[in-house]
Amino acid sequence: AQSVTQLDSQVPVFEEAPVELRCNYSSSVSVYLFWYVQYPNQGLQLLLKYLSGSTLVKGINGFEAEFNKSQTSFHLRKPSVHISDTAEYFCAVSDNTDKLIFGTGTRLQVFP
Amino acid sequence: EAGVAQSPRYKIIEKRQSVAFWCNPISGHATLYWYQQILGQGPKLLIQFQNNGVVDDSQLPKDRFSAERLKGVDSTLKIQPAKLEDSAVYLCASSLIGPRYGYTFGSGTRLTVV
Repeated sequence: AQSVTQLDSQVPVFEEAPVELRCNYSSSVSVYLFWYVQYPNQGLQLLLKYLSGSTLVKGINGFEAEFNKSQTSFHLRKPSVHISDTAEYFCAVSDNTDKLIFGTGTRLQVFP
Repeated sequence: EAGVAQSPRYKIIEKRQSVAFWCNPISGHATLYWYQQILGQGPKLLIQFQNNGVVDDSQLPKDRFSAERLKGVDSTLKIQPAKLEDSAVYLCASSLIGPRYGYTFGSGTRLTVV
C-alpha cells in the first residue's frame, strides 16, 4: 500500500531565505508524485507533479522538487521565500489505482 | 473551464443530526473523489467513483456515511447520524482518468458538529 511521510509538521523561515520541505513515500509500484498548497480556508492547489522523465520538476510560484527513486523522496524547495508563501503544503502519491494519498502536511511560516 | 463546485460552503449541526454535501465535478471527468480533512491533518480518501460505480470505499465509515454518484456526474455525501469527530472539511475532487491528467479540488464544505 502507498503511504507518504512528511517529517516536518512546521517549518519556520525568514523571508528571502531558502526552504526545503521533506517528503518520503512508500510504494511497491511506479508512482506519480504531487505537491499541493492550501491557503487558509481554501481548497488544494497543485504546485507541481512528477509523472516521468526528468527528476527535477518545476512548478508554480518558484517552487521545484526533485524525485529521488533510490531514497524514495520528493522534497520541495524554493530558493527565496516570500511572506505570501505562508501556507500548508501537502505531498501526495498516486499509482495505477488512481487514488491520491496525502501526507499529514507541513506548515510553512514565513517571518519578515 | 469551470472548477469543481461544492455546496454548502459551511454547515453547523448538532450531533445525531444528518447532513448532506453536494459536488459537481468538472464536465467530462470520469473519476470523482470525496476526502475528509480533519483540522491539522492531511486529506483522507473516503470514496472513489469511476463514472457512477464505486472503485474504493474501504475508508468510508459505512455505518453512518453514504455516497452516491447519480448518472456519473453529480455526487452527494451523507452523514447520518453525525458525531462530534465528524467535524472536518469535506473535499471533493475530480479527474479525467488517472493521475497523468491531474486532480482538481473544490473549495470544500466545512462541517462543525456541536
